[in-house]
Amino acid sequence: KAGVTQTPRYLIKTRGQQVTLSCSPISGHRSVSWYQQTPGQGLQFLFEYFSETQRNKGNFPGRFSGRQFSNSRSEMNVSTLELGDSALYLCASSGEGQGLETQYFGPGTRLLVL
Amino acid sequence: AQSVTQPDIHITVSEGASLELRCNYSYGATPYLFWYVQSPGQGLQLLLKYFSGDTLVQGIKGFEAEFKRSQSSFNLRKPSVHWSDAAEYFCAVGPTGFQKLVFGTGTRLLVSP
Repeated sequence: KAGVTQTPRYLIKTRGQQVTLSCSPISGHRSVSWYQQTPGQGLQFLFEYFSETQRNKGNFPGRFSGRQFSNSRSEMNVSTLELGDSALYLCASSGEGQGLETQYFGPGTRLLVL
Repeated sequence: AQSVTQPDIHITVSEGASLELRCNYSYGATPYLFWYVQSPGQGLQLLLKYFSGDTLVQGIKGFEAEFKRSQSSFNLRKPSVHWSDAAEYFCAVGPTGFQKLVFGTGTRLLVSP
């Protein structure tokens, strides 16, 4: 099976803009989670979607949002970008029968905010 | 609150030598524990996981980890390190609400010739 794919891989934006990142999970997986990775804060959980519903959310401001489509693909959106939003955004998928709670990560989208 | 501590920020090991990366966790119930590896510019690759049962877990690339409940530890080991093992290693605990994982700060492994 193909792994988790994320697009785009690299992105440069300026402060105040908004950005949308996309994640396609492993075929058959229904859960998609998003994480932010920065040198200062490490890996932090953003949110998780399962069957188009947000099941869990981390401690991030409302500028960070996401959604999941019926084919399990997910997008996350960051509005009014700030310099501190520069990070590697990782998507992970997991699914029934794959081992509960085992998440498989994509290569990430590296966002640079200028 | 759930937390993971990886006390070593950097570790340097000679190629062929043994390796042990430390991980301590804080979790109110029986945890699910994971080790992931990240090469520069890449995502996270699952090395191994512990859910229940045998406390010594075998993973990919010759890695193993031992769950010790009494010490709240899940240390990662490899008997002989290869230069290609140089990467950053993350320990994680879950679930903390469905699929939410809490990660440690990572240990960067350097392999010297």
